[in-house]
Amino acid sequence: EAGVAQSPRYKIIEKRQSVAFWCNPISGHATLYWYQQILGQGPKLLIQFQNNGVVDDSQLPKDRFSAERLKGVDSTLKIQPAKLEDSAVYLCASSLGKGAYYGYTFGSGTRLTVV
Amino acid sequence: DQQVKQNSPSLSVQEGRISILNCDYTNSMFDYFLWYKKYPAEGPTFLISISSIKDKNEDGRFTVFLNKSAKHLSLHIVPSQPGDSAVYFCAARPSGAGNMLTFGGGTRLMVKP
Repeated sequence: EAGVAQSPRYKIIEKRQSVAFWCNPISGHATLYWYQQILGQGPKLLIQFQNNGVVDDSQLPKDRFSAERLKGVDSTLKIQPAKLEDSAVYLCASSLGKGAYYGYTFGSGTRLTVV
Repeated sequence: DQQVKQNSPSLSVQEGRISILNCDYTNSMFDYFLWYKKYPAEGPTFLISISSIKDKNEDGRFTVFLNKSAKHLSLHIVPSQPGDSAVYFCAARPSGAGNMLTFGGGTRLMVKP
């Protein structure tokens, strides 16, 4: 079974620029999550999708962050404009469902550095 | 407001000895707890979990203990191996939360040969 694919692996941008990350979940996984992991901290949920609908985006800074999951498969996370404090690893994860516990599978992440 | 805390940023253990990683939580609504392991440049991988109706779950060298009254859980690794060296994250899920996890800050375990 192929894992969760993310690209790019690394990105360096200047503050106020925009950036986009891409995620391809495991085939058949209905639920997709974006997490932000700042250095030295645990992952923090940004947004959860069930198919192509948003389940929870309460911790997504909507003034600069946006995410979509067209056709319920791939997802993109965008930051515009980026700030220095957005430097982090952005992790995508997917799972079979959202109700009873289903194991998450994480991708390797995209490391963003904002300078 | 950190609902899941791992107060030890790092732990060093000799190969063959026991590793004990601790985690405290504050939210009484958490009903499922998980441990993830993370190697550098990789995403976290699921290690072991426990439901709030249990106080112990064992899987090979890994055992998770849950003390609900103290809002504390721990991961025991026996015997520890150099390949266990990684960052370990404790995570918790509130009941009815649709599978969203709250993570602790992680503990870096170093197992010395």
